[in-house]
Amino acid sequence: GDSVTQMEGPVTLSEEAFLTINCTYTATGYPSLFWYVQYPGEGLQLLLKATKADDKGSNKGFEATYRKETTSFHLEKGSVQVSDSAVYFCALSHTGNQFYFGTGTSLTVIP
Amino acid sequence: ETGVTQSPTHLIKTRGQQVTLRCSSQSGHNTVSWYQQALGQGPQFIFQYYREEENGRGNFPPRFSGLQFPNYSSELNVNALELDDSALYLCASSLVGAASYEQYFGPGTRLTVT
Repeated sequence: GDSVTQMEGPVTLSEEAFLTINCTYTATGYPSLFWYVQYPGEGLQLLLKATKADDKGSNKGFEATYRKETTSFHLEKGSVQVSDSAVYFCALSHTGNQFYFGTGTSLTVIP
Repeated sequence: ETGVTQSPTHLIKTRGQQVTLRCSSQSGHNTVSWYQQALGQGPQFIFQYYREEENGRGNFPPRFSGLQFPNYSSELNVNALELDDSALYLCASSLVGAASYEQYFGPGTRLTVT
């Protein structure tokens, strides 16, 4: 069945450091891929998405590229801020009917 | 534009009881999905409703049931509560037929079963 695997956390970085959170997926066909972010005490917010191979999703300085050959959708940001501290979830969906989420990666950015 | 809202925010129930959680979809959305998020885990898909009918279901027993109303609001009902049902329950709305498959999440209801 479909599934998403994320790198284990928690991740702690200093402000302005480079961020990579790995995400790989297993799925039939060509799903759409997403990154969601969950700030403390809040629901999930869509951060970025990509709907086909080689697409790059980007938002708020975050980027992720849909790599079909490696079945990956790694999240990157060149310079993190304290306000980026949150839990990040990678997810996939074929038709919007059902989303499969990874277990989440907690990020803490220290000043 | 009104976002997805859920009620109540927190709830404490006893094992064996029944619970109803409520969700109001984002304005203009016609589909609602429910997820269970255990502590430290990612959301797990429970089911989705579209046009007041179940439109997909995850690996959850029949004691998890739902309703969608003509105004696209929704309820999640859980019967015979078990301790493992303690979790954050998330509602997400979306628009079938939209170009993307984005789901918009509410803040969740934290259910504790004792």
